[in-house]
Amino acid sequence: DTGVSQDPRHKITKRGQNVTFRCDPISEHNRLYWYRQTLGQGPEFLTYFQNEAQLEKSRLLSDRFSAERPKGSFSTLEIQRTEQGDSAMYLCASSGRTGGYQETQYFGPGTRLLVL
Amino acid sequence: GESVGLHLPTLSVQEGDNSIINCAYSNSASDYFIWYKQESGKGPQFIIDIRSNMDKRQGQRVTVLLNKTVKHLSLQIAATQPGDSAVYFCAENRRSNDYKLSFGAGTTVTVRA
Repeated sequence: DTGVSQDPRHKITKRGQNVTFRCDPISEHNRLYWYRQTLGQGPEFLTYFQNEAQLEKSRLLSDRFSAERPKGSFSTLEIQRTEQGDSAMYLCASSGRTGGYQETQYFGPGTRLLVL
Repeated sequence: GESVGLHLPTLSVQEGDNSIINCAYSNSASDYFIWYKQESGKGPQFIIDIRSNMDKRQGQRVTVLLNKTVKHLSLQIAATQPGDSAVYFCAENRRSNDYKLSFGAGTTVTVRA
């Protein structure tokens, strides 16, 4: 499968715990995005990387959230001291080199987080 | 506020009929639009996109129409099948947003057998 992959697919944690999600983009895609989706809503942008550089962060990304893409390939999203309001689907997407801001973003299956 | 919005949150369609899902956007600078399909428990799946220099684009069983005058786009699905049951999102982008897609709330399409 050459699509975007995410791990884990589901995560249940207790309030106050830290969690880390991983995303593997489509190979040769240099841009990688994180979005968050709550029930009944469309995805909301969190942050994106071009190669290993994090170029944009949404105001939704509080200080408890950190994302990395150390070698310009896979990325991790960590949430520290989780809160119940962090419960959501966390989606990763990637896009290639050809179209600038008009290039298609391809999404992974998502990681569904439940904070108890 | 929301930059894209869908007209109807739900749509029920008879199998074999054509489906039309509508979306409105508010910013005249928006110039790239994408339709995604999301099945339960899965990530959004790319269906078709259109740039503002086009009025219409066709794919396999799908057509997207863009009316820049009234800031409206639609997704038409021909001969709707049970596998088309899903939530459909329109998303938009513009140069000033860089790479950040803005999504609407989604229309849930249910196909009746």
